[in-house]
Amino acid sequence: DVKVTQSSRYLVKRTGEKVFLECVQDMDHENMFWYRQDPGLGLRLIYFSYDVKMKEKGDIPEGYSVSREKKERFSLILESASTNQTSMYLCASSMQGWSTDTQYFGPGTRLTVL
Amino acid sequence: DAKTTQPPSMDCAEGRAANLPCNHSTISGNEYVYWYRQIHSQGPQYIIHGLKNNETNEMASLIITEDRKSSTLILPHATLRDTAVYYCIVRVRETSGSRLTFGEGTQLTVNP
Repeated sequence: DVKVTQSSRYLVKRTGEKVFLECVQDMDHENMFWYRQDPGLGLRLIYFSYDVKMKEKGDIPEGYSVSREKKERFSLILESASTNQTSMYLCASSMQGWSTDTQYFGPGTRLTVL
Repeated sequence: DAKTTQPPSMDCAEGRAANLPCNHSTISGNEYVYWYRQIHSQGPQYIIHGLKNNETNEMASLIITEDRKSSTLILPHATLRDTAVYYCIVRVRETSGSRLTFGEGTQLTVNP
């Protein structure tokens, strides 16, 4: 089974702090994604990566950056956390090629910024 | 991506089949039907997908009508752990990374 793990299930940070969210997958997937999920707004893509050191902006990249130094690890960075970044953050991965739409999600990190 | 319509909520008795409908009347020829679900406070989980033939895996069956304008996800023997929001998505299959967009979905509640 594909396993996608995220570093924390719950996180509380203060405004202005730098926040690192880590995601690791164990299935050698090329594609990795970071989403946030908010009530009434559904799932929104922040960034994705289709290869090591490659990244593409999603729909809402402002206030975020990402890092993919190794194939299995995709990090989301909030450079200076703000209260409007309080959300559920979901990492996902998928294979390259025709199976790409089968995305496997981690358990999510619920981030609260005070 | 084609728009989908799902009922907001459904109930099912434990051990019975749960049949979740999805309408996608504007689906085009190269769009697939995907189903995901999300159990409360967890990440979404892929269930199944199909183009025009019926599909079955260890989790569920997917029945797509001949005109492809609607489909039904079937959980043959629902358990309490199947209580979740179920999302039907219609999209073109792509080779590169592409975003998933979930609608409101159907809240399935399996009752003891």
